[in-house]
Amino acid sequence: GQNIDQPTEMTATEGAIVQINCTYQTSGFNGLFWYQQHAGEAPTFLSYNVLDGLEEKGRFSSFLSRSKGYSYLLLKELQMKDSASYLCAVRPPSGNTPLVFGKGTRLSVIA
Amino acid sequence: KAGVTQTPRYLIKTRGQQVTLSCSPISGHRSVSWYQQTPGQGLQFLFEYFSETQRNKGNFPGRFSGRQFSNSRSEMNVSTLELGDSALYLCASSLAGQDNQPQHFGDGTRLSIL
Repeated sequence: GQNIDQPTEMTATEGAIVQINCTYQTSGFNGLFWYQQHAGEAPTFLSYNVLDGLEEKGRFSSFLSRSKGYSYLLLKELQMKDSASYLCAVRPPSGNTPLVFGKGTRLSVIA
Repeated sequence: KAGVTQTPRYLIKTRGQQVTLSCSPISGHRSVSWYQQTPGQGLQFLFEYFSETQRNKGNFPGRFSGRQFSNSRSEMNVSTLELGDSALYLCASSLAGQDNQPQHFGDGTRLSIL
């Protein structure tokens, strides 16, 4: 089975950098997704990692270490609009199997 | 390109009733997945449909069912509603539901059971 852990809440200051961690214990692994969800809105896709290393997309970067069962989402130059929940989701190893989501990290950006 | 559309956005029902929620995926997407989202449990997978066939099913009771039509639109049905069914129901579509393809979510249907 899959077990995914993320911190429940985080607070950071506008303009700063924040790192949101995600650890997973799985019987296999076939990729990890990060989603952003603003209150009352749909989750939106941020990044996908399947190989070890860092993927950078503008102010957002995502890192994966498969041997450690660990990923993080790095948000730079924080803006107030980054206040949202960030969801980590793991794809199990078998083909066409559903994503397993963590419970999400609620990030509050303060002035 | 239109996104994933879910209707209705809000719904209020009473215990014992049944409800049908609708999801229109992004044009060309053939995989549709349904999730239940609650503050305590996060996103819980309900089921996935691909080419009108249920391909995966989560750990929900048989009161939760769904189907997919030939145009890839999907519906989910919940019968004999219980208070604990109050949640945000999200639908997500992807091209074929394969490993590296992200899912695109609709805004959800917020179901409240009185």
